[in-house]
Amino acid sequence: DTGVSQDPRHKITKRGQNVTFRCDPISEHNRLYWYRQTLGQGPEFLTYFQNEAQLEKSRLLSDRFSAERPKGSFSTLEIQRTEQGDSAMYLCASSPGLAGDSETQYFGPGTRLLVL
Amino acid sequence: AQSVSQHNHHVILSEAASLELGCNYSYGGTVNLFWYVQYPGQHLQLLLKYFSGDPLVKGIKGFEAEFIKSKFSFNLRKPSVQWSDTAEYFCAMGSSNTGKLIFGQGTTLQVKP
Repeated sequence: DTGVSQDPRHKITKRGQNVTFRCDPISEHNRLYWYRQTLGQGPEFLTYFQNEAQLEKSRLLSDRFSAERPKGSFSTLEIQRTEQGDSAMYLCASSPGLAGDSETQYFGPGTRLLVL
Repeated sequence: AQSVSQHNHHVILSEAASLELGCNYSYGGTVNLFWYVQYPGQHLQLLLKYFSGDPLVKGIKGFEAEFIKSKFSFNLRKPSVQWSDTAEYFCAMGSSNTGKLIFGQGTTLQVKP
């Protein structure tokens, strides 16, 4: 068990470009979450999946953001037409999704996005 | 609205001093409460959690937290801090109805050797 992994770890892009991040959860974890963290703040929830179903999306997730988890394993988060305000750390977390410990989330290292 | 507040934004202590970090939450239903820690250059790690039962929970590295329902609080404590405890600490709340966590804005702890 290598924990939650994210790729890339860092991304620099120009305003208006599209970017895609990948998250690989802990093996056999049913739930996968995406959060965004800006400097000096705690992580803010974006969206989460139970297996391949996207069950909740934050109002922070504008229509430029889309997330998928096609086979219930890894997930991707795409940002289209990036803006400077999208610069942040994007965190992925997973949890077993089983009764009794379903809410304990384990976090990956994050992808730091800088939009120039 | 659901929210989590951490009142201490930056705390500086000397080694061996006692630590207490405040956390208050706002939610009328059943909550799960967490403390996560982020050491410099590392990712968020679970320090301890409260789901139900004994309101005094013990975590890793000598940390503990007490859930006081009447005060909507979940303060983190450690009797004697070490230089290696220098990190950012986040309190978080998860409801039993949703999967998401709501985080406080974090407390930066600096321990002087």
